[in-house]
Amino acid sequence: DAGVTQSPTHLIKTRGQHVTLRCSPISGHKSVSWYQQVLGQGPQFIFQYYEKEERGRGNFPDRFSARQFPNYSSELNVNALLLGDSALYLCASRQGASTEAFFGQGTRLTVV
Amino acid sequence: QQQVKQSPQSLIVQKGGISIINCAYENTAFDYFPWYQQFPGKGPALLIAIRPDVSEKKEGRFTISFNKSAKQFSLHIMDSQPGDSATYFCAASLRTDKLIFGTGTRLQVFP
Repeated sequence: DAGVTQSPTHLIKTRGQHVTLRCSPISGHKSVSWYQQVLGQGPQFIFQYYEKEERGRGNFPDRFSARQFPNYSSELNVNALLLGDSALYLCASRQGASTEAFFGQGTRLTVV
Repeated sequence: QQQVKQSPQSLIVQKGGISIINCAYENTAFDYFPWYQQFPGKGPALLIAIRPDVSEKKEGRFTISFNKSAKQFSLHIMDSQPGDSATYFCAASLRTDKLIFGTGTRLQVFP
């Protein structure tokens, strides 16, 4: 059974550009969350979606947005990229009410 | 009140020794406390988790000790192996709400 898959694995963007990151949850999981992990720190919560509705938002600017599709996959969009957006972006899926969160391997975003 | 404080920042243990990582939280409403293991370039992998109604949980070489009154919990890795060398994160959450992570502990196990 496939785990959480994220694409792309690595990405290099220029300041001011836009980026879209993708996540496919574990089959049967309806909840997807996004986290940002800066080098040397713990992951920071960005968004949570359940059944295509936003259920939580972390302390990130409006340049960050996300959505969840009918097949429960998700996209994270970041506009007007800043150097400080360089990080590992992690997607986690949960099976509805279960609290166990399973993470993908992440997308390494580098902004130059 | 949403912070989870983790210590030590780094830990060096000899093979066969016991690795101990500690975490403290402030929000007494937290009801789920997982530990994650992360290797370089990989996403965090769930190791073991505990709820506040239990004082200890053991899975193989990994044990969580939970002290509700002190608002502290710790991870013990028995018989530490070089393959355990990784960064470990504690976390806390309210049911299916967001996970609040600690700052991480880099564990190195030498043969």
